Amino acid sequence: DAGVTQSPTHLIKTRGQQVTLRCSPISGHKSVSWYQQVLGQGPQFIFQYYEKEERGRGNFPDRFSARQFPNYSSELNVNALLLGDSALYLCASSLGQVRTEAFFGQGTRLTVV
Amino acid sequence: LAKTTQPISMDSYEGQEVNITCSHNNIATNDYITWYQQFPSQGPRFIIQGYKTKVTNEVASLFIPADRKSSTLSLPRVSLSDTAVYYCLVGDANTGRRALTFGSGTRLQVQP
Repeated sequence: DAGVTQSPTHLIKTRGQQVTLRCSPISGHKSVSWYQQVLGQGPQFIFQYYEKEERGRGNFPDRFSARQFPNYSSELNVNALLLGDSALYLCASSLGQVRTEAFFGQGTRLTVV
Repeated sequence: LAKTTQPISMDSYEGQEVNITCSHNNIATNDYITWYQQFPSQGPRFIIQGYKTKVTNEVASLFIPADRKSSTLSLPRVSLSDTAVYYCLVGDANTGRRALTFGSGTRLQVQP
């Protein structure tokens, strides 16, 4: 079975640009969460979606948005990129809405220059 | 949310048993303790989860004393491939809490 897949694996953007990151959860998983991991720190929660609805939001500005599609895949959008948005963006899927075991993808490395 | 405290780093040698202790003095009655492992440029990987006493799987053991204010992840006979960052998480697995809260983790370096 395929695990959580994220695309692209690496991305370089310029300050002020917009970026869209994509995530496909494990088959049968209805919950997708997004995390930002800055170098040297643990992942920080951004969003959780379950059954196509936002179920949780972390302490991130409105420049960050996300959505979940009918097939449970998800996109994370970041507008007006700042240098500080450079990080590894991780997607995690799980079976349910509450915190059952989460399976993480390999992440998308975003570099803002 | 219960705050966790772990050592920043640990060193070991191949074949040794490694014990990483996590302090969580404010753990709530409904909270579970979960450990994740993360290699560079990869997402975290679930290792083990427990509520009290001892839990063992094919990868590790988790020891939780009666007061549950701390827990110890035990990795038997580590190898070079166990070099990674290990995160201790505490939170309610049953209701409402939808976000995993990671601290800074423990960086384990295994030497030959």
